[in-house]
Amino acid sequence: GNSVTQMEGPVTLSEEAFLTINCTYTATGYPSLFWYVQYPGEGLQLLLKATKADDKGSNKGFEATYRKETTSFHLEKGSVQVSDSAVYFCALSPRAGRRALTFGSGTRLQVQP
Amino acid sequence: NAGVTQTPKFQVLKTGQSMTLQCAQDMNHEYMSWYRQDPGMGLRLIHYSVGAGITDQGEVPNGYNVSRSTTEDFPLRLLSAAPSQTSVYFCASSTRAGGNTGELFFGEGSRLTVL
Repeated sequence: GNSVTQMEGPVTLSEEAFLTINCTYTATGYPSLFWYVQYPGEGLQLLLKATKADDKGSNKGFEATYRKETTSFHLEKGSVQVSDSAVYFCALSPRAGRRALTFGSGTRLQVQP
Repeated sequence: NAGVTQTPKFQVLKTGQSMTLQCAQDMNHEYMSWYRQDPGMGLRLIHYSVGAGITDQGEVPNGYNVSRSTTEDFPLRLLSAAPSQTSVYFCASSTRAGGNTGELFFGEGSRLTVL
């Protein structure tokens, strides 16, 4: 079946530090890949996506590249801000069968001033 | 700018009680779904619907019931609450194409505690 594995948190960084949150997946075929973000007390929001190999999704300074050879979709940001403190979820959607998202367990990011 | 609205935001139940979590969306989305979020486990799909009158089971459907009589509403019913159903529940919606591509719009969540 499909699965998503994320690095465990919390990840604690100082403001302006470089961020990487690792995500690897297992799926049949070539799924679409996503990063969702959940700010405190809110629902999840789509942060970025990539639908085919070597695509780079980007939004709000965050980037992730769809790496088919390593089945990975790591999230990166060059300089984090306190306002980036949230829980980040990696997810996949298969191209066939039931079109439902499979989520990773989430990684909490804490950015300190 | 209502989007996806869930009620109630918080609920405490005793074992064996029943209740309904409400979900409504005003974006005319065909696809609606319910997830539960548990610590260390991410979000897991309970039930989903691709349109009015059509529902299907997700990954963890046992103990839950859904119906979709209108495009806007997708209530989730707990038939006989158990402590294992203590969780945060999220409703999500999307266009049909969004359902295929994973671009979901989420409500703010409903935190349920079963004693």
